[in-house]
Amino acid sequence: GEDVEQSLFLSVREGDSSVINCTYTDSSSTYLYWYKQEPGAGLQLLTYIFSNMDMKQDQRLTVLLNKKDKHLSLRIADTQTGDSAIYFCAEQGGATNKLIFGTGTLLAVQP
Amino acid sequence: EAGVAQSPRYKIIEKRQSVAFWCNPISGHATLYWYQQILGQGPKLLIQFQNNGVVDDSQLPKDRFSAERLKGVDSTLKIQPAKLEDSAVYLCASSLIQGGETQYFGPGTRLLVL
Repeated sequence: GEDVEQSLFLSVREGDSSVINCTYTDSSSTYLYWYKQEPGAGLQLLTYIFSNMDMKQDQRLTVLLNKKDKHLSLRIADTQTGDSAIYFCAEQGGATNKLIFGTGTLLAVQP
Repeated sequence: EAGVAQSPRYKIIEKRQSVAFWCNPISGHATLYWYQQILGQGPKLLIQFQNNGVVDDSQLPKDRFSAERLKGVDSTLKIQPAKLEDSAVYLCASSLIQGGETQYFGPGTRLLVL
């Protein structure tokens, strides 16, 4: 069945790099997404990667995809206190292309 | 471009009462989704509409939940009667078309059932 797993918590110091990891099970996923959720807010799309790509860079964000291991990571360079939030990875696939979300990783940035 | 709008933002009801949530997607977006996000979990898809037709409602508890999108634009999600375990954030999202298109989320409606 479809399942997406993430570690629950990550703490970094301001200015360091953060790496949030995600594993998924559906090898037929077409797109993989990273969303950010701040307290009391909806989900904000950060970036996404097509399944035939290995890497995508977008300013401070780098997404790495290891399709063989079904492993996705999000690297945030020069992490700022404003990056503190819950980060969700999601796989998209299946007949209706629905999103399957992970449980989210709480990123805490220490000043 | 205006984002996905949802109302109300918060709702507190007692168990066995009814509640309805409203969503207005981004203009021109054909696909609309309702998700349930229980505290500490990721969002779970309840129902997906393509225009005014249902594409996927396999995870919708149909004995108490219903949703409609009559004119292919706005949508309402209803719970009748509510249970304690329905306490969650209900997120609406929309995308331009179905399949490989980015979903944009509204701010959500936070429901507390007492």
